[in-house]
Amino acid sequence: EAEVAQSPRYKITEKSQAVAFWCDPISGHATLYWYRQILGQGPELLVQFQDESVVDDSQLPKDRFSAERLKGVDSTLKIQPAELGDSAMYLCASSSPGQALYEQYFGPGTRLTVT
Amino acid sequence: GENVEQHPSTLSVQEGDSAVIKCTYSDSASNYFPWYKQELGKRPQLIIDIRSNVGEKKDQRIAVTLNKTAKHFSLHITETQPEDSAVYFCAARKIKTSYDKVIFGPGTSLSVIP
Repeated sequence: EAEVAQSPRYKITEKSQAVAFWCDPISGHATLYWYRQILGQGPELLVQFQDESVVDDSQLPKDRFSAERLKGVDSTLKIQPAELGDSAMYLCASSSPGQALYEQYFGPGTRLTVT
Repeated sequence: GENVEQHPSTLSVQEGDSAVIKCTYSDSASNYFPWYKQELGKRPQLIIDIRSNVGEKKDQRIAVTLNKTAKHFSLHITETQPEDSAVYFCAARKIKTSYDKVIFGPGTSLSVIP
């Protein structure tokens, strides 16, 4: 069964450093989501792509976060500079508008620790 | 702004008993309501969902009900088992041809005591 891939699985970085996360959605899925999940809370949408276009980045802290999906396939989320409050799980998910159920498939996540 | 509330935040039940988790949403245009189960350190997994044109859906021990007028929906787990212990998230999505917005609830930590 196809799955959403993410790397790295774990990342420890010092504050003020730059970090980048990678996501490869399920083949053919046009919609890609990046979520941040703080321990004990629900996922919070950071950015949503439809193919290579950003359709929602209203919750993305644009002064330090950036995201791209250049060819409409895989995606990169970058933080620069990282802050202590950025410690969280970063989840990527994908879905296909063609599927009747619109199910979102989540990747395993990248757990970021900022020291 | 738009939000999803979820109650209770923690729930402890005896094995074999039922568990009920309730969510309310603010955007009346939401039309799809999934429920996810997330075990510690793992990704959220879809366990059941319901569309706005359906009032109830059941899948074995799991059922979801939707009250569009009151803007709330509930997850019901019957005959709970220890492996049901996890964090459960509800979500409200507004899906249109060229639009898709999803908001998650804060989660309910369910513990099933053997």
